[in-house]
Parts: sequence; structure tokens; C-alpha cells
Amino acid sequence: EIVLTQSPATLSLSPGERATLSCRASQSVSSYLAWYQQKPDQAPRLLIYDASNRATGIPARFSGSGSGTDFTLTISSLEPEDFAVYYCQQRSIWPPITFGQGTRLEIK
Amino acid sequence: QVQLVQSGAEVKKPGASVKVSCKASGYLFTGYHLHWVRQAPGQGLEWMGRINPNSGDTNYAPKFQGRVTMTRDTSMTTAYMELSSLRSDDTAVYYCTKGFCTTTSCYENWFDPWGQGTLVTVSS
Repeated sequence: EIVLTQSPATLSLSPGERATLSCRASQSVSSYLAWYQQKPDQAPRLLIYDASNRATGIPARFSGSGSGTDFTLTISSLEPEDFAVYYCQQRSIWPPITFGQGTRLEIK
Repeated sequence: QVQLVQSGAEVKKPGASVKVSCKASGYLFTGYHLHWVRQAPGQGLEWMGRINPNSGDTNYAPKFQGRVTMTRDTSMTTAYMELSSLRSDDTAVYYCTKGFCTTTSCYENWFDPWGQGTLVTVSS
């Protein structure tokens, strides 16, 4: 099973700042990595797939990069609605499809 | 538009079974796998498995093998997830979701949209 480790667990930033979230895989997942955003009491929403492609309707301030075992989600300038929990997910080697444990992005 | 609407909250006793439904609309039901993902309170996301609504074929996460059964009713465009031998640590929100599609391609194991979630509480 591929283990995804996200860091940091919590990130405290202010609106307008740049956010950098990390996801590391226990073995190579090539570019088969996605990022999701989840707000309280809501289902997750797909942001990025195949490591760097924005899903439909996702603002350009969200970008993804990386391949192999190290991946990054960057939010270039935080908007108030961006404060949420973010998960990475791999589909390279499965079952099982696995998720990271999440990074909580909170307002400083 | 694509919609996944799940059944309502359930309260079950340890050892019982629960069956959650997911009604799909807005797309060809038999064209895309449906997946089930759960989230324990305050915890992360955990993939349970998927079903091919066309063939009925399933793939389960090893952790749930033997305890989970995914089925579908194509006439009702509805998928079902049944979890047996419930324990307190099965208390979670259970989501159904399908593969993500752009205007030109579909990706079976990236997930969007998601159902609204069904809270299953296991308590004596």
C-alpha cells in the first residue's frame, strides 16, 4: 500500500499570502496524484489531477507540481474561502487507492 | 448536471449491518465506476472500493474485504454499499463518488462529484 505523508499538519497564514503544501509518497506514483479541498460539513472537491492539471472551474491561483514521490500544492494568494483542509490522493498502485492525512490551512 | 444523492443517516448497534444508497443522475449510470470513501469524525479520507455499474464487478480495499458488499440496480440508477459486522470505529460519514470527467476525457480514479455523505453511527 502506498502511504502519502502530508506536511505540515497545520499551516497558519493570512489572506493574500502564498501557501505551499507538501505530499510525499512512500514509493513513486509517477504523476498519478490529485489534490482535494474539504470545508467543514462538506464533501471534498477535486482541485488538481495528474499532479498539475486544474479541475473544471478551479481558480488559477491553485497550482500543482511534482512527480515520482514529491508533490506540492501552491495557492499563490490566499482568499478567505481557501481556508480548509487539503488532501492528496494517489491512483498509481491500487487497490487500495490512498489519501494523505490532510493539511489544515487556517487563518493566522 | 451530474448528481449523487445518498440515503439518510443511520444508527446501528455493534455487530449489525448497514446499507447506504447512492442515487445517480445526469449521466450514463452504466458508463462509470462508482466509488465509496469514508471519513471518521475529525479524521481523513479512506477509500473502501468501487463498483462497475455495467458489469457489477467490484474492487475492494483489502481492509474491507469480506465485510463490504457493493451492488447496483441499473433500473434505479442506484448503487449500494453494505458494511457488516459493524464496530464503533466504523462510525463515519460514507460518501459515494464517481470518476472525474472533463469535456474531452474521463478519469476513473479521480473523484468528482461526490454525494452529500451519509453519517453512520455505531453505538450500543
